[in-house]
Amino acid sequence: GAGVSQSPSNKVTEKGKDVELRCDPISGHTALYWYRQRLGQGLEFLIYFQGNSAPDKSGLPSDRFSAERTGESVSTLTIQRTQQEDSAVYLCASSLAERGAGNEQFFGPGTRLTVL
Amino acid sequence: SQQGEEDPQALSIQEGENATMNCSYKTSINNLQWYRQNSGRGLVHLILIRSNEREKHSGRLRVTLDTSKKSSSLLITASRAADTASYFCATSGGTSYGKLTFGQGTILTVHP
Repeated sequence: GAGVSQSPSNKVTEKGKDVELRCDPISGHTALYWYRQRLGQGLEFLIYFQGNSAPDKSGLPSDRFSAERTGESVSTLTIQRTQQEDSAVYLCASSLAERGAGNEQFFGPGTRLTVL
Repeated sequence: SQQGEEDPQALSIQEGENATMNCSYKTSINNLQWYRQNSGRGLVHLILIRSNEREKHSGRLRVTLDTSKKSSSLLITASRAADTASYFCATSGGTSYGKLTFGQGTILTVHP
């Protein structure tokens, strides 16, 4: 089927506003990951879902960040009270990987978030 | 935090030349993967090498892994202008649930 899709592709918001970023993984992929990439940097892991559960939230930078996944499909990353340092590209990936398998991850095109 | 470091940070070559990028990492791994990124957006998986493998080939790509030195290299042979992109290594290990830890990346520019 189709690849991983993310929306919106670009989001400009004002400091202090809340934003929601959406990820639609490849159908049947049980594992879903969120990463953040600041300008000129590598990707930073944020959170991992297996099904609808998140066994690893260790990369979320603060309690302003949260994520959920429903129906073992769509995931939403929410950033509350956005700050300028939240500006980055937020990338979602999905995989067939089970625990520790470390299989190939398929990435979406990302959402570029700009906080003014 | 970043697991690995890549060098060089930037590489500029002529079409037809070979490009070699290196990646070092710090902790034990299950596998190491290389990804390509165009224009700062979605990543494309290139190749995966498992910790018990030493070398792997895919088309014009050759990856080596030296677990004793905690390092890997990606060789692109007979480069093309279309190979211009950023290249990242990413490691998966332990009980990390398959999450990837990325290096800073190498920006490759291939001049026609």
